[in-house]
Amino acid sequence: DTGVSQDPRHKITKRGQNVTFRCDPISEHNRLYWYRQTLGQGPEFLTYFQNEAQLEKSRLLSDRFSAERPKGSFSTLEIQRTEQGDSAMYLCASSPRTGTSEKLFFGSGTQLSVL
Amino acid sequence: AQSVSQHNHHVILSEAASLELGCNYSYGGTVNLFWYVQYPGQHLQLLLKYFSGDPLVKGIKGFEAEFIKSKFSFNLRKPSVQWSDTAEYFCAVNADTGFQKLVFGTGTRLLVSP
Repeated sequence: DTGVSQDPRHKITKRGQNVTFRCDPISEHNRLYWYRQTLGQGPEFLTYFQNEAQLEKSRLLSDRFSAERPKGSFSTLEIQRTEQGDSAMYLCASSPRTGTSEKLFFGSGTQLSVL
Repeated sequence: AQSVSQHNHHVILSEAASLELGCNYSYGGTVNLFWYVQYPGQHLQLLLKYFSGDPLVKGIKGFEAEFIKSKFSFNLRKPSVQWSDTAEYFCAVNADTGFQKLVFGTGTRLLVSP
């Protein structure tokens, strides 16, 4: 199965520490998305890349958050100085370049717990 | 700003019962509408989508949804559920932005008893 891969699956950290997550999209998918899901809620959009360009960022993405997609392949999401409110499932999704009928392929997510 | 409401947070059905999950959205412009499903231990996956054309759309595993523009609704239906339909179902909307900046509802947990 060559789906979207996310690493790690789980991360436990102490408040104030920095964490970094990785997402490997489906090969040749040029669009990559990050979403965040908290308990009892649906996923919320964080940011979007087309190839290596970050084209849209949500206001949810404070200055402690940074995402990159060097060379338009894998992506990383870094959270600096983590807070307990950052505890959530971080989801990555990718899609191929299409016309109007774009479909997202989600990974299994990284569950972050900030103690 | 767009928002999505899913009225049922938990639904319990017996096998062979009919299913209808409600979804209403708020947005005045052109929208694309989706239902995603997350089976236990699996990732989110697309069940069906509406972009344009026939407002009755059919998805995988016998699911269908009807877009009623006047009611801002996109309800999900299945005439006869199976135990394997036990999952969490999310409705989502996207303004016609050219990329997938989805706004999701809070989800409905469906439990189908055998």
